[in-house]
Amino acid sequence: NAGVTQTPKFQVLKTGQSMTLQCAQDMNHNSMYWYRQDPGMGLRLIYYSASEGTTDKGEVPNGYNVSRLNKREFSLRLESAAPSQTSVYFCASSERDSRFGSGANVLTFGAGSRLTVL
Amino acid sequence: AQTVTQSQPEMSVQEAETVTLSCTYDTSESDYYLFWYKQPPSRQMILVIRQEAYKQQNATENRFSVNFQKAAKSFSLKISDSQLGDAAMYFCAYRRTYTGANSKLTFGKGITLSVRP
Repeated sequence: NAGVTQTPKFQVLKTGQSMTLQCAQDMNHNSMYWYRQDPGMGLRLIYYSASEGTTDKGEVPNGYNVSRLNKREFSLRLESAAPSQTSVYFCASSERDSRFGSGANVLTFGAGSRLTVL
Repeated sequence: AQTVTQSQPEMSVQEAETVTLSCTYDTSESDYYLFWYKQPPSRQMILVIRQEAYKQQNATENRFSVNFQKAAKSFSLKISDSQLGDAAMYFCAYRRTYTGANSKLTFGKGITLSVRP
């Protein structure tokens, strides 16, 4: 089925370790995003990529790096994981959704990746 | 900066009854979009409904409708004939009018809806 695929779904890290969350979409969307979800905080934007070859910081970028490898793939890297980065991470992509008329891009989310940093 | 506030952390509704989830937002923009997303236990984020600020008519999608009060900056979601499958966390979200390739959403903290059989 078409959509946004994230890997891994679960990961446990020790403080200081590094890891990369992978995201791929097969809907030919231009824009891709990484959000983190924490209890009582909603979803907060980490980084986004408006198009292939461009990336920009979101609300909470510190401690993360991203790579827009090609139009399909947008990875999120934690270089030195900290317990404060324990969270559920969502990748999303956006394109116009015909159900809701023209003009507004609607985000399609992946299933999420639960990361625990000990 | 835009902010989205969902002040009720939890709500409960009897199956087949109607429930309203509240959301307020703050912005200096005159044109924007508002959304309600549903997140079931599977964690997948599912778009429920969308409202354009320039439209006075409230959006509806089957059993879901909104009450959009632009002057009051209020955007509530009404779920009619509640079903067990409606149990989920619901997020209100805001986005500026599309002006390029930037479609960043600002989310509220979410509200957990339970449905009693």
